[in-house]
Amino acid sequence: DGGITQSPKYLFRKEGQNVTLSCEQNLNHDAMYWYRQDPGQGLRLIYYSQIVNDFQKGDIAEGYSVSREKKESFPLTVTSAQKNPTAFYLCASSIALSSPTQYFGPGTRLTVL
Amino acid sequence: AQSVTQLGSHVSVSEGALVLLRCNYSSSVPPYLFWYVQYPNQGLQLLLKYTSAATLVKGINGFEAEFKKSETSFHLTKPSAHMSDAAEYFCAVSATNTGNQFYFGTGTSLTVIP
Repeated sequence: DGGITQSPKYLFRKEGQNVTLSCEQNLNHDAMYWYRQDPGQGLRLIYYSQIVNDFQKGDIAEGYSVSREKKESFPLTVTSAQKNPTAFYLCASSIALSSPTQYFGPGTRLTVL
Repeated sequence: AQSVTQLGSHVSVSEGALVLLRCNYSSSVPPYLFWYVQYPNQGLQLLLKYTSAATLVKGINGFEAEFKKSETSFHLTKPSAHMSDAAEYFCAVSATNTGNQFYFGTGTSLTVIP
């Protein structure tokens, strides 16, 4: 089955540590996205990528980094510079940046202790 | 730029009653509009979308939404609520003039009372 996988589902880290969240898709989509979800705030865009080796900052990129070395993979690193990293992180993809429909993975809940 | 307002962060309905979740949008160009559903600790599942075709859009699980340009609305309805409909619902808008970037509402939590 085609889809988007995110791992792990739950992640715990100590304050000051960098952590990398995985996102893989086998939909052959060119565009991929990372969102952060906080209670009562909906989803906010962190980074997006329209093609391999290209990515752009979203609305809340500070304290995060990404890479896009393969079409299928778009990992997100939450760095120690992110002041409030505890949140639910969602990865999404679309056929292309010009495609209006995005499909979402199951999410990773990050808790920083 | 685009924006979305979802009226009512919490909505409760009785099982079998009409479900109405409100979404109003702002867009300077013809928008694309979406409703997603999220169950606890899961990702977002696409319920339905409007991409400039028919204004009444039917989705999965018996949901539908109507695009009303004059009211800048895209309200989600279901004639008869089921217990399994209890979830968080998000409305989203995108448009070509902003590279199809999604803008999400803050969500509406639907409770179904048996």
